[in-house]
Amino acid sequence: SQTIHQWPATLVQPVGSPLSLECTVEGTSNPNLYWYRQAAGRGLQLLFYSVGIGQISSEVPQNLSASRPQDRQFILSSKKLLLSDSGFYLCAWGGTDNEKLFFGSGTQLSVL
Amino acid sequence: GQNIDQPTEMTATEGAIVQINCTYQTSGFNGLFWYQQHAGEAPTFLSYNVLDGLEEKGRFSSFLSRSKGYSYLLLKELQMKDSASYLCAVKADFNKFYFGSGTKLNVKP
Repeated sequence: SQTIHQWPATLVQPVGSPLSLECTVEGTSNPNLYWYRQAAGRGLQLLFYSVGIGQISSEVPQNLSASRPQDRQFILSSKKLLLSDSGFYLCAWGGTDNEKLFFGSGTQLSVL
Repeated sequence: GQNIDQPTEMTATEGAIVQINCTYQTSGFNGLFWYQQHAGEAPTFLSYNVLDGLEEKGRFSSFLSRSKGYSYLLLKELQMKDSASYLCAVKADFNKFYFGSGTKLNVKP
């Protein structure tokens, strides 16, 4: 069966520090992968989308970047965090036929 | 761009029926999805519609009208555990999933 792993669960970082969040999918190959951010009490904002290794589509200009160094690994990064980067970050994959999204458990990021 | 609207918050009574509406304007529509999200947790898939009509899954049903850009999620026999946020999402623009702001449902005894 397929599973998606995301870590860490919570993270507290000072303003100006770097960020690296990792997401991996097991039990499948060539998945479509997604990064979302959810501000408190709000909906999910699509940040990045990837259909394969090295293929990244950015949805909104921001202080973040994404990379896909391996088929089942998706990384969200920032060189210098801003207060506005705080939120709940969710990684997702599109299922074996990209028919619906399955989410990782999420990372609650607080930038102080 | 994508525009997805749903009510911010609703309240209903345990045992009752509630309907959560969602309207959307999008390009390249390829499906309408409903997710449930409890506070502090990741969303979980509830249902989806690609064609017009009603899809029923136990106590949950979802309806879609593509010509009207409209969907609703119907929850029957409400239980306290149904208190959560319900997210409407559209698959569009070639395999991207866009979400509304979510409807927080409060179920009262």
